[in-house]
Amino acid sequence: GENVEQHPSTLSVQEGDSAVIKCTYSDSASNYFPWYKQELGKGPQLIIDIRSNVGEKKDQRIAVTLNKTAKHFSLHITETQPEDSAVYFCAADPDRGSTLGRLYFGRGTQLTVWP
Amino acid sequence: KAGVTQTPRYLIKTRGQQVTLSCSPISGHRSVSWYQQTPGQGLQFLFEYFSETQRNKGNFPGRFSGRQFSNSRSEMNVSTLELGDSALYLCASSRGQLAGNGEQYFGPGTRLTVT
Repeated sequence: GENVEQHPSTLSVQEGDSAVIKCTYSDSASNYFPWYKQELGKGPQLIIDIRSNVGEKKDQRIAVTLNKTAKHFSLHITETQPEDSAVYFCAADPDRGSTLGRLYFGRGTQLTVWP
Repeated sequence: KAGVTQTPRYLIKTRGQQVTLSCSPISGHRSVSWYQQTPGQGLQFLFEYFSETQRNKGNFPGRFSGRQFSNSRSEMNVSTLELGDSALYLCASSRGQLAGNGEQYFGPGTRLTVT
């Protein structure tokens, strides 16, 4: 099955700096890669996603890049704010373009933004 | 639009008992996926239902089962509870149709503690 690895496990940055989280996946058939933010006591919140026909996608301060050849994708957060502090998860969907509701998740990155 | 709701939010059970968790998806969503989240194993896919049919199942023992009703609401059941079943159980809903509609939205989860 699909194996998703995520680094780093913890990340501390100063407010206003950028944060980068990287993930690799093993199944070359995966073609949908969402990112989730989970705050304490809450369920994961979808913040951005990318499909394999796109190399980069931006949404305000958040961007995601995908390199299908190398099988890795990254989350970039610019101008970080204290409210960005949370656990971030990457995920991959191995079901070859169908939507069968199965995601494989990385182990998460605890991001802390210091004021 | 209301989000994904899960009930109950917290449960304490004893080893050997069984438990039923409930999930109501976003209106119009026909796919419901269940995940188990633990500090040791992270987020792991349990199973997914679409139009009352299980389409996908993760690598969990038969003690874990689920079902979906005609209104897309879903329940999962765990029988003969073990201490290791203590976890946050998350439900996610999506439209469940072909590629392009695979975004999954999570509920707040049910925190199950087995003593």
